[in-house]
Amino acid sequence: DAMVIQNPRYQVTQFGKPVTLSCSQTLNHNVMYWYQQKSSQAPKLLFHYYDKDFNNEADTPDNFQSRRPNTSFCFLDIRSPGLGDTAMYLCATSRVTGTFNQPQHFGDGTRLSIL
Amino acid sequence: AQKVTQAQTEISVVEKEDVTLDCVYETRDTTYYLFWYKQPPSGELVFLIRRNSFDEQNEISGRYSWNFQKSTSSFNFTITASQVVDSAVYFCALSEANYSGGGADGLTFGKGTHLIIQP
Repeated sequence: DAMVIQNPRYQVTQFGKPVTLSCSQTLNHNVMYWYQQKSSQAPKLLFHYYDKDFNNEADTPDNFQSRRPNTSFCFLDIRSPGLGDTAMYLCATSRVTGTFNQPQHFGDGTRLSIL
Repeated sequence: AQKVTQAQTEISVVEKEDVTLDCVYETRDTTYYLFWYKQPPSGELVFLIRRNSFDEQNEISGRYSWNFQKSTSSFNFTITASQVVDSAVYFCALSEANYSGGGADGLTFGKGTHLIIQP
């Protein structure tokens, strides 16, 4: 059974049209991550939530936002997508107990194409 | 700062050959995790192994084996008797063991090695 579920699996949208990607988890993990993976590149961390606390990477464009309305769901919002935002977007979760960080579980990803 | 280097961009071997994927890492942390992930053409990241920095024992799982050497900061991955289904991009990754609330809490990936197994 899938434990980290990303929807949709594929998304095509127009240049400049806002888009939202969804991630849900059944693991009850307190940390959720969003990564961007461009073609033939390694995944790159965009931001993560520790419970409700948002942690943004320094080089994540302002165009990218995230919401976590509850433990199970986390959304990635791209306000005005550009052609360079075409990529695979990966959601991951982990459990942090005290300061001890457990391994991350990844979803299958959303392939986003900006036309 | 953390860094993971996978110097081999692409490796092509004939089925049944053994193949080793190299991974060298840099970190200032004394406690950390090392990972290997497989990414087939369908795109999902498949977890293969996690090793913490305290455990330098080598591990074998079927045709897969991992050699962790702290002295050389390496965590190499060997596939024995390779099969066509092993064709994929393989990523080595590093993370801190202790959550700090900063950017290092995510995984730092190497650039990946594209492994091609020819029939």
